[in-house]
Amino acid sequence: NAGVTQTPKFQVLKTGQSMTLQCAQDMNHNSMYWYRQDPGMGLRLIYYSASEGTTDKGEVPNGYNVSRLNKREFSLRLESAAPSQTSVYFCASRKKILNTEAFFGQGTRLTVV
Amino acid sequence: GNSVTQMEGPVTLSEEAFLTINCTYTATGYPSLFWYVQYPGEGLQLLLKATKADDKGSNKGFEATYRKETTSFHLEKGSVQVSDSAVYFCALGVNFGNEKLTFGTGTRLTIIP
Repeated sequence: NAGVTQTPKFQVLKTGQSMTLQCAQDMNHNSMYWYRQDPGMGLRLIYYSASEGTTDKGEVPNGYNVSRLNKREFSLRLESAAPSQTSVYFCASRKKILNTEAFFGQGTRLTVV
Repeated sequence: GNSVTQMEGPVTLSEEAFLTINCTYTATGYPSLFWYVQYPGEGLQLLLKATKADDKGSNKGFEATYRKETTSFHLEKGSVQVSDSAVYFCALGVNFGNEKLTFGTGTRLTIIP
């Protein structure tokens, strides 16, 4: 019963390096999301994908790209990491029907030095 | 646009005290409302939800009533325990083509024995 799985759990990057955060869900959900969590700012939506093959920007998309590889997987890429991207990143998924809640992964703690 | 305003924290209570965490929202359309809880080092998990006006969501002794007239969804618990120490997030989701979930900033709750 895996739910939403994120990898890696922790990562330290140097400024300018790139990396991809991976997310996979096994609940056959249509919608997937990437959020970042910062102290005092709650959860802010970076990108989301309402269905396979589509992606849309959220509140804070600058500096990120996403790929909805298939229905299960939704990755987040940082092309050139900056210290401002130090955060905890959460992936979530949700059925695309009325009134359903989102299910979250355990998070990736990213530090950019 | 949609937004959620949540009671600022942190909140510190003694065990068995009564808890209220305020949440108000603005939304276009007919939102569903959620409370999520985040325990230390973990992702968010759904605590309760309400999908229409006057609905009451409840779980683990927590309750919240969807009040359309005051656009509120306050979280309450009659007698808190040390194990309730966590961060609580109020959130809303609007369907009918808008797949975004909007979160409040979170309220950190600490219960003292």
